[in-house]
Amino acid sequence: NAGVTQTPKFQVLKTGQSMTLQCAQDMNHNSMYWYRQDPGMGLRLIYYSASEGTTDKGEVPNGYNVSRLNKREFSLRLESAAPSQTSVYFCASMGQLDQGNSPLHFGNGTRLTVT
Amino acid sequence: AQSVTQLDSQVPVFEEAPVELRCNYSSSVSVYLFWYVQYPNQGLQLLLKYLSGSTLVKGINGFEAEFNKSQTSFHLRKPSVHISDTAEYFCAVSRGTSGSRLTFGEGTQLTVNP
Repeated sequence: NAGVTQTPKFQVLKTGQSMTLQCAQDMNHNSMYWYRQDPGMGLRLIYYSASEGTTDKGEVPNGYNVSRLNKREFSLRLESAAPSQTSVYFCASMGQLDQGNSPLHFGNGTRLTVT
Repeated sequence: AQSVTQLDSQVPVFEEAPVELRCNYSSSVSVYLFWYVQYPNQGLQLLLKYLSGSTLVKGINGFEAEFNKSQTSFHLRKPSVHISDTAEYFCAVSRGTSGSRLTFGEGTQLTVNP
């Protein structure tokens, strides 16, 4: 009964380094999302994937890339990290709302610091 | 496009007092509405959701919310709060169907004082 699993939980990068945040869900959901959370700004959508094989930009996609590897996994990559990308990153998945299925499920987050 | 506005960034209340956290939304189409709670150093958990039907929605931990289409609001209420309700609360809107973008408000920090 894992739900949404994110790795790693914490990461410190130096400016210019790259890394990939991993996310996997075991609820057979079609949609998956990456958000960043910054103080006073709520959650802002970086990228989302409506279904396997598709990805779309959200509000703040610059500096990020994503891969929907299969139905379960949706990764977020920072090619060249910048201090402005210091944030808490949340992955989420969602089933079909109009069928009364489960709403958005969140992972526990990745705290990223870029120095 | 859709947007969500949480009218109060911080709400301090005393224990056992009632509380209302306000949320307004804008959308050109019908929407689904949610309230989430985030405890310190944790992810977000669903409190309640409005998909259709009765406009008064009851959620977990004694919270409820009322969907008001004419005022485009979805305010969260609890008649008597506890210290353990101290957390950040997020209102969110979705256009519905799988794959829709979920838009969040900026959050309201509820602090319950003894």
